Amino acid sequence: EAGVAQSPRYKIIEKRQSVAFWCNPISGHATLYWYQQILGQGPKLLIQFQNNGVVDDSQLPKDRFSAERLKGVDSTLKIQPAKLEDSAVYLCASSLNRDTGNTIYFGEGSWLTVV
Amino acid sequence: AQSVTQLDSHVSVSEGTPVLLRCNYSSSYSPSLFWYVQHPNKGLQLLLKYTSAATLVKGINGFEAEFKKSETSFHLTKPSAHMSDAAEYFCVVTQYGNKLVFGAGTILRVKS
Repeated sequence: EAGVAQSPRYKIIEKRQSVAFWCNPISGHATLYWYQQILGQGPKLLIQFQNNGVVDDSQLPKDRFSAERLKGVDSTLKIQPAKLEDSAVYLCASSLNRDTGNTIYFGEGSWLTVV
Repeated sequence: AQSVTQLDSHVSVSEGTPVLLRCNYSSSYSPSLFWYVQHPNKGLQLLLKYTSAATLVKGINGFEAEFKKSETSFHLTKPSAHMSDAAEYFCVVTQYGNKLVFGAGTILRVKS
C-alpha cells in the first residue's frame, strides 16, 4: 500500500516569497491533516480536512497560509508571503476517517527554509 | 483540553540495556494515546497505540507501553536497546475529531 506522498521534499526561499506544498494521501482516506514541525518541537496541527471540507483551521495563520483539497483527494498548502519563522517541516497526514483513535499516517515531510 | 508532557528531552542508554521514555497525559475524557518515532530526515512512524482496550500495548520493534490511569502515565519501554532505535520519540494524545496533540519529544541516544 502506497503511503502519504509529499513534494517537494526540500525548499529554500527568501522572506516575502511564496511557496506551495503538495500532498497525496493514502487511497481511500477521507481525513487529511497538515502539521507544522518547528525544529526542536513536536508537530502542531495547522488544518484538518474531511473529504473536501475544512473541519478545523483554528491554528492556521490565515493572513499568510492557505490550504485546499478541492476534489477531496490531494491537497495543497500555500504560504504567501513567507516569514523567517515559517522555517519548519510541513507534514501531511491522513486517516480513514475522523473517529478518535483512528491511526494517522504521516508523509516524510516538506522541509522549508526561509532566508 | 488534552495535553501530554514528556518528562525527558534526552535519554542516553547503552546498547543492550533497557529503554524507558516517560510520558504523562492530561485528558478530560478517556484518551487515545500513541507513541510515534521519527528518524532523522524521515517522517513519523507509529510505534503503538492505546484505545481503551488492554492497558499493556505492544508495538513494533519490541517496544511496549502501559496505560496507567491512576498515574496518568503512558511510558514507553523496550527491554534491550539497539543502535537502530536512536531517534526522536513523541508521545501523542488525541483530541475530539482525531486531532493529535504532540509532546515536545524525547531524543534517544544509544551508545555502543
